[in-house]
This record gives sequence, C-alpha cells and structure tokens, in this order.
Amino acid sequence: GENVGLHLPTLSVQEGDNSIINCAYSNSASDYFIWYKQESGKGPQFIIDIRSNMDKRQGQRVTVLLNKTVKHLSLQIAATQPGDSAVYFCAEKYTSYGKLTFGQGTILTVHP
Amino acid sequence: DTAVSQTPKYLVTQMGNDKSIKCEQNLGHDTMYWYKQDSKKFLKIMFSYNNKELIINETVPNRFSPKSPDKAHLNLHINSLELGDSAVYFCASSQEGATGEETQYFGPGTRLLVL
Repeated sequence: GENVGLHLPTLSVQEGDNSIINCAYSNSASDYFIWYKQESGKGPQFIIDIRSNMDKRQGQRVTVLLNKTVKHLSLQIAATQPGDSAVYFCAEKYTSYGKLTFGQGTILTVHP
Repeated sequence: DTAVSQTPKYLVTQMGNDKSIKCEQNLGHDTMYWYKQDSKKFLKIMFSYNNKELIINETVPNRFSPKSPDKAHLNLHINSLELGDSAVYFCASSQEGATGEETQYFGPGTRLLVL
C-alpha cells in the first residue's frame, strides 16, 4: 500500500510560537489546494484554500504559501494555541477532473 | 445544525456480515463523497456522486455499493465484511464554485471494526 510502514510527520511547538507545516504535492497540473485540520475523533475541517494563480493567501492566524516550481505548499499558523493541536492535511485538485487527493498528514502538538 | 451527518458513529460487527452506513447533508450541495481513513490516517476517496449519479469510483472492491436516493443522501452498503475493512469512513459534500474551486465538508466519521 502507499503508506505501509510510514509514520506521520510530527511537529511539536510551544504555545505562542509560530508553526509551519509543509506539504509536497504530486500533480503539476493541480490548480486548487486546500488545508484541512482533523482533531481527534472528528472529521477533517476546512482551514484555508488557494488557487494556483496565487502564491500566498492569508486567513485569520493562518497563511498558505504555494510554490508551484517545486510543487510545495505550506501552512503557517501564527501564535499557535493548544486548540490548534490536530492532524493537518493538504489536498490538491485538478479542477477539470474533480477528485481531491489528500497528502499524508502532519501531527501538530502544541504544549502549554 | 449538523451540516453533514453520518450514522452510526460506531459499528462493530463480525466478519462476513453485511452492514450499511448512512449520510445526509443539509447544505444543498450537489456532490457527495465517501472516503476511507486507515489506521495511519491516510484519507482516500472511494466514491463520488453528483446529483445522484456516480462520477468517481476508485478501485474499491465491488462488496462496497454506494446508493444515492436523492442528492442530500449517500449511503454505503458493505457486503461480506472483511478484517481489512476496519477503518473510519467519512462522508463529505461539496458545491463547485464558478472557477472550479470546491471546499468539501466532512461528516464526523463512522468507526467500523470488523472482528
């Protein structure tokens, strides 16, 4: 299987620090990208999205950066709080096809 | 109000049994999905329906049969359950925007354990 033997990347930060979660996407034709947050026992929750004609988009405390040259996406969380602790997924889509493909996920742990 | 709801939340059953999971969305979306999340948190699409029509069918065993009675509901029936079917199953829905963007909204998940 695609993820047999793999462990999720983890990021541990102190409350108040800034967090950066990285994602490498696979399809150079993808033109729409989303970050999701999944808390324990819950479904993925939309955080922020970005289209391929942009390289940066800001939300409340979150910023997504897109580098199409190296097929890299990052999520920056400012002043990280314990409530930000979760698994974060990036997802990519080639809009003409319609399928959203999820990345591996990163576990973020915020220590008080 | 729950936007995307699934029942049951937990499902424990014996190998070989047949079971169904139900999903409903009250967002007025045209498209609904089923995803499977394995023990390593990998999230993979299984099916997608648009206005009751199947549009995505990934390489899923034919023991899995989705049914969409109307665009607000997408149910998943699983025949002859196997140990490897144990996972969390998520339903999602979306409405495609004018330029192709599509935020999918997920349900709370159904935790299936096959013994």
